[in-house]
Amino acid sequence: GENVEQHPSTLSVQEGDSAVIKCTYSDSASNYFPWYKQELGKGPQLIIDIRSNVGEKKDQRIAVTLNKTAKHFSLHITETQPEDSAVYFCAASRGEMAGEKLTFGTGTRLTIIP
Amino acid sequence: NAGVTQTPKFQVLKTGQSMTLQCAQDMNHEYMSWYRQDPGMGLRLIHYSVGAGITDQGEVPNGYNVSRSTTEDFPLRLLSAAPSQTSVYFCASSYHNTQYFGPGTRLTVL
Repeated sequence: GENVEQHPSTLSVQEGDSAVIKCTYSDSASNYFPWYKQELGKGPQLIIDIRSNVGEKKDQRIAVTLNKTAKHFSLHITETQPEDSAVYFCAASRGEMAGEKLTFGTGTRLTIIP
Repeated sequence: NAGVTQTPKFQVLKTGQSMTLQCAQDMNHEYMSWYRQDPGMGLRLIHYSVGAGITDQGEVPNGYNVSRSTTEDFPLRLLSAAPSQTSVYFCASSYHNTQYFGPGTRLTVL
């Protein structure tokens, strides 16, 4: 089955600096890679996703890059703000049907230092 | 829309007790799933359903049962609770690969 590794497990950055979280996956058939943000006491919420037919996707301060050859993908947050503090999860799936069997990474706790 | 709702929010059980975690969604999504979240292990899939009457096992199904009699509801049953089932449980429904998570149920088994 799919195995997703996520690094680092914790990350602290100064407000205004950039944060990068990296994930690797094992299943070459995976073609859908979402990122979820989980705030304290809440369920994860999708913040951005990418499919294997593109190499990069941006949404305001958030971007995701995908390297299919190396089987890794990354989340980039620029101009970080205190509200970016949360736990972030990457995931992968074959995406053959809606929501089909996401495999999650172990999460990164991001802390923004004011 | 209420989205995905879960009850209860907190539950304490004794070893050997049984209970049902409730999950409901009002978005008419066909795909629903249950995850457990443990420290340092991310979210692991317990069971999932691709539509009413159809369920299948995920990564960690042992000790749990599910059924899907309606599109809206997807309850998770713990048959005989064990301390290893202490965790936070999330239900999710999905549309076009986007999973919408409920607020979670924090379960402690003593």
